[in-house]
Amino acid sequence: SQQGEEDPQALSIQEGENATMNCSYKTSINNLQWYRQNSGRGLVHLILIRSNEREKHSGRLRVTLDTSKKSSSLLITASRAADTASYFCATDDTGANSKLTFGKGITLSVRP
Amino acid sequence: NAGVTQTPKFQVLKTGQSMTLQCAQDMNHNSMYWYRQDPGMGLRLIYYSASEGTTDKGEVPNGYNVSRLNKREFSLRLESAAPSQTSVYFCASSASGGRLYGYTFGSGTRLTVV
Repeated sequence: SQQGEEDPQALSIQEGENATMNCSYKTSINNLQWYRQNSGRGLVHLILIRSNEREKHSGRLRVTLDTSKKSSSLLITASRAADTASYFCATDDTGANSKLTFGKGITLSVRP
Repeated sequence: NAGVTQTPKFQVLKTGQSMTLQCAQDMNHNSMYWYRQDPGMGLRLIYYSASEGTTDKGEVPNGYNVSRLNKREFSLRLESAAPSQTSVYFCASSASGGRLYGYTFGSGTRLTVV
């Protein structure tokens, strides 16, 4: 069953704007990860944030984690048309044996 | 290029036919996974292999079998294909089971069962 649930399901923004995507989960986690999937391609790992971390940056990506609210957000700053893709959060659940649970994904469209 | 290689990329089967999806990784990863992706359902885990010599069921294992042939290769078999198995199948691998590093995914196999 899905652990992470992303919000919104779809997001459309103008190039140059910031995009914020949210993920909520239900159980205790070791870490939370974000992935990108371009149309017709496999998923690509973007960033991993551990349960004892609150914020992490990678280039134009900023991820926050609030374990008390069981939620995470992914911020893409100064978006580009090339950021158009689906974004998935995935959780490494405490007690899970070497496997991630993925959400259903958010479709981001960046208009030129 | 280092990564996860899946074959075939596309396949059309008739109901009741069997086939094996192949997956190989050259990153010396311990863990390997098979997911299916359906519209509106996200990724669902079919089977996984935490390490060479072990396999375990995921969320949706019915109708599938797997073989961890060696550390590099993890195959997924459909013994008697059904239209409900029409999907995009992704293989993934990880050095740490997702605990320290993320997964590396293949480019997928698009399977249609008619």
